[in-house]
Amino acid sequence: KQEVTQIPAALSVPEGENLVLNCSFTDSAIYNLQWFRQDPGKGLTSLLLIQSSQREQTSGRLNASLDKSSGRSTLYIAASQPGDSATYLCAVNPGTYKYIFGTGTRLKVLA
Amino acid sequence: DGGITQSPKYLFRKEGQNVTLSCEQNLNHDAMYWYRQDPGQGLRLIYYSQIVNDFQKGDIAEGYSVSREKKESFPLTVTSAQKNPTAFYLCASIRTGTGGVDGYTFGSGTRLTVV
Repeated sequence: KQEVTQIPAALSVPEGENLVLNCSFTDSAIYNLQWFRQDPGKGLTSLLLIQSSQREQTSGRLNASLDKSSGRSTLYIAASQPGDSATYLCAVNPGTYKYIFGTGTRLKVLA
Repeated sequence: DGGITQSPKYLFRKEGQNVTLSCEQNLNHDAMYWYRQDPGQGLRLIYYSQIVNDFQKGDIAEGYSVSREKKESFPLTVTSAQKNPTAFYLCASIRTGTGGVDGYTFGSGTRLTVV
C-alpha cells in the first residue's frame, strides 16, 4: 500500500533563506507527483506537477525534483518570503487518479 | 475562468440532521473527488466518481452519500449516521484519459461544524 510521508511536520526559517521540503513515498510505481500549497482555512493550490518521466519542474522561485527509484521528491524554495508561510503538501498518483497525500509541512517564514 | 466552486463556505449541522455540500466544476473534468481534512491527519478520500452516474467508496465512506447526475456536479451528503462530521471538506477534479497530466484542481472547501 502506497504511503506518503513529509518531514518535518513544521519548519520556521528567517526571511531570505533557501529551504528544502521533503516528500517520500513507499512505492515507486507512480504516474506523477503534485505539490500543493494550503493557506489556513483555504483549499489547495497546485504549485508543481512532475510526471514520472521527469526529474524536475520549476516555477519562479520554486523547484521540485523527483527521484522515483529512491521514492523521494523535494520542493526547493529560493529566497523565502513571509508570504511563503503556508502548509505544503505532496501527493502521488499511483495510476488510478486517486492521489495519495502526505500530511504536509507547515512552513513559517519570519520577517 | 474555469474552476471548482464549493458552497457553502461554512455549514452548521445539528445532531441528527442531514446536510448537503455542493461541488460544481466548469473545467469539463471527468473525475471528481471528496476529501475530508482533519488537523494532523492529512486528506482522506470519502467518495469519488470517474464518470456520470457512477461513483465509488473511498477510505472513509461510512455516514456519507453522493450522487453524480451531471458531469459538472458532485454533491456530498453528510448523514446523521456520521458520528464525527466536524471537519474541512474539499472537492477536487481531474481530467482523465491523459495519464493525469493535468493533476488535481481543488475547490476552496467547506467547513462543517456540529452544533
